[in-house]
Amino acid sequence: GDSVTQMEGPVTLSEEAFLTINCTYTATGYPSLFWYVQYPGEGLQLLLKATKADDKGSNKGFEATYRKETTSFHLEKGSVQVSDSAVYFCALRLFSSGSARQLTFGSGTQLTVLP
Amino acid sequence: NAGVTQTPKFRILKIGQSMTLQCTQDMNHNYMYWYRQDPGMGLKLIYYSVGAGITDKGEVPNGYNVSRSTTEDFPLRLELAAPSQTSVYFCASSYSIQRDGITDTQYFGPGTRLTVL
Repeated sequence: GDSVTQMEGPVTLSEEAFLTINCTYTATGYPSLFWYVQYPGEGLQLLLKATKADDKGSNKGFEATYRKETTSFHLEKGSVQVSDSAVYFCALRLFSSGSARQLTFGSGTQLTVLP
Repeated sequence: NAGVTQTPKFRILKIGQSMTLQCTQDMNHNYMYWYRQDPGMGLKLIYYSVGAGITDKGEVPNGYNVSRSTTEDFPLRLELAAPSQTSVYFCASSYSIQRDGITDTQYFGPGTRLTVL
């Protein structure tokens, strides 16, 4: 079945450090890929997405590129801030006509950024 | 704009008790979803609805029931609570599954943390 494997956390970085959170997927077909972020006490928010191979999603300084050849969608940011401390979820979604396909989530990666 | 709201935020149940988790969205979205998140795991879909009066099972529906009498509300019912239902429950909504060939965004509520003892 479809699955998403995420880098295990927690991840602790100093402010202005470079961030990479790895995400790989297994899917039958060509999924859309997402990164969601959950700040403390809040619901999940869409951070960025990519719908086809080689697309790059970007938002708030975060980027991720849809790599079909390596089935990956790694999240990167060049310089993290304390306000980036949150849990990050990688997810995929497949479509087939006439059906409502669910989001398949990874287990989440807790990021803590220290001042 | 409130978005997706969930009540309660926290709840402790005894085995065999019943409760309803409330979810309301004010974005006039057609689709609504219930997920659960177990510690160290990703979210798993319990039930979803494509519109008022229409619901369908997700990946892990056993032990739960839902109804969708209005566009805004999508309550999740636990009839006989079990320790295996200890989890964080998230409600989400989206305008449609796919719009103009582009995946539509799901908007999530803040979650309900449920403990069954």
